[in-house]
Amino acid sequence: GAGVSQSPSNKVTEKGKDVELRCDPISGHTALYWYRQSLGQGLEFLIYFQGNSAPDKSGLPSDRFSAERTGGSVSTLTIQRTQQEDSAVYLCASSWLGAGGLSYEQYFGPGTRLTVT
Amino acid sequence: AQSVTQPDIHITVSEGASLELRCNYSYGATPYLFWYVQSPGQGLQLLLKYFSGDTLVQGIKGFEAEFKRSQSSFNLRKPSVHWSDAAEYFCAVGVKSKSSGGYQKVTFGTGTKLQVIP
Repeated sequence: GAGVSQSPSNKVTEKGKDVELRCDPISGHTALYWYRQSLGQGLEFLIYFQGNSAPDKSGLPSDRFSAERTGGSVSTLTIQRTQQEDSAVYLCASSWLGAGGLSYEQYFGPGTRLTVT
Repeated sequence: AQSVTQPDIHITVSEGASLELRCNYSYGATPYLFWYVQSPGQGLQLLLKYFSGDTLVQGIKGFEAEFKRSQSSFNLRKPSVHWSDAAEYFCAVGVKSKSSGGYQKVTFGTGTKLQVIP
C-alpha cells in the first residue's frame, strides 16, 4: 500500500515568509509525528497527534510553529515568519496504536527540505 | 523524561568486519526499543524492534540487537558489514508518559554515521 507522503519535497523561501508543509499518513494510522532534522543533527521531536488532537506539542521551538490535523488524516505544519535557523528537513511519521496506547514502529515519509534564504 | 544516548557520532569499519553500534537509554522502566537506518537521501527505515520477550532480536539486512536491562543498553550488531550498510543509524525508545497524554512518545538518539571502507 501507499506509504507516508509529504509535500513539497523541497521548499525554498525568503526569510519572513510563511510556509506550509503537508503530510499524508498511511491510511488507518491514528498517530502522527513531526520531526525536524537539521544538517548533521539527529531527529528533533516537534509534535505528536493522536487523531486530530495533539497531546504533546512540547517540541515546537517557538510560537511561529503550529500544526493541525484534520479528519484524522492529513496534517499541516505551518511556520510563520520563517528564519534562517528554520532551514532543515522536516519529517513526518505515522503509526497505529495498539492496546493501551502502545505505538508500534513509525513509518516515515521522505521529508520536506526547507531552505530559508 | 526518557533520553537516548548514542555515544559514537561516527564509526568507520572495513567491509567484512563486524560492527557494533552502541545505544543507552535512561528510563525507569523497560521502554520499547527501536533501531532505524537512514541511507543517504533516503527516509528512515525500521531495522528492528524490541517490545518484550527474547532479549536478542533479529532484524532486516542481517542486523541484530540485544537488550540488556542491567546496562540499559540496546546495541546493534552485524557480523559482517557490507558497503551498502554505509548510512546513519538511529536508536529510539518509546515510553508511555503522562506528559504525552498517556500515549507512547518516541525519542530518538542523535545518530551514528557508519562509513564502510573497502
